[in-house]
Amino acid sequence: QKEVEQNSGPLSVPEGAIASLNCTYSDRGSQSFFWYRQYSGKSPELIMFIYSNGDKEDGRFTAQLNKASQYVSLLIRDSQPSDSATYLCAVKRLTGGGNKLTFGTGTQLKVEL
Amino acid sequence: DAMVIQNPRYQVTQFGKPVTLSCSQTLNHNVMYWYQQKSSQAPKLLFHYYDKDFNNEADTPDNFQSRRPNTSFCFLDIRSPGLGDAAMYLCATSRDPSNSYEQYFGPGTRLTVT
Repeated sequence: QKEVEQNSGPLSVPEGAIASLNCTYSDRGSQSFFWYRQYSGKSPELIMFIYSNGDKEDGRFTAQLNKASQYVSLLIRDSQPSDSATYLCAVKRLTGGGNKLTFGTGTQLKVEL
Repeated sequence: DAMVIQNPRYQVTQFGKPVTLSCSQTLNHNVMYWYQQKSSQAPKLLFHYYDKDFNNEADTPDNFQSRRPNTSFCFLDIRSPGLGDAAMYLCATSRDPSNSYEQYFGPGTRLTVT
């Protein structure tokens, strides 16, 4: 089982719709969760982080965390073509990982006109 | 603006010819990381510095070395690049990892090995 799992996609949504990106993780001791956006050929850009169970909203983005289910998601409301990118989920693990993040392989999002 | 800078953005080297990639930061962050990312793969942590303390990942090949002469700069040395080392190399920084832990990435260096 991978430490951080994401569906590779592509996930296609029409412009203006809600895009829902999901991520599961295996280490129950994980504490901190991050979403990065990565455009093709570019470096990852941090867009959201969440530490506590529940929802965290920032503009059009909402991160949701459920530690009991070991599940974190990212919702993008009013999706725009400029949101088309790969979204990487990253998890800070407490045990065995020291001070580092483990990344998923990312979900490719395509927002269609 | 405070930022993470990587030079060069594109690097072409020959098989076996040593190469050095550079990263600098104006964020005054304690921790600097080097990641390798190949196409459609997750970034893979090679090593990181917490201040002057070097932390190597167990599966990082000996071919990869790093130096951090001061808070602002960190270098990645690839002693004998192979074709399999062609990748995007990402530098990232964060504050004290025991506190906040957001990592901020530089623009990356795309390495080609011929």
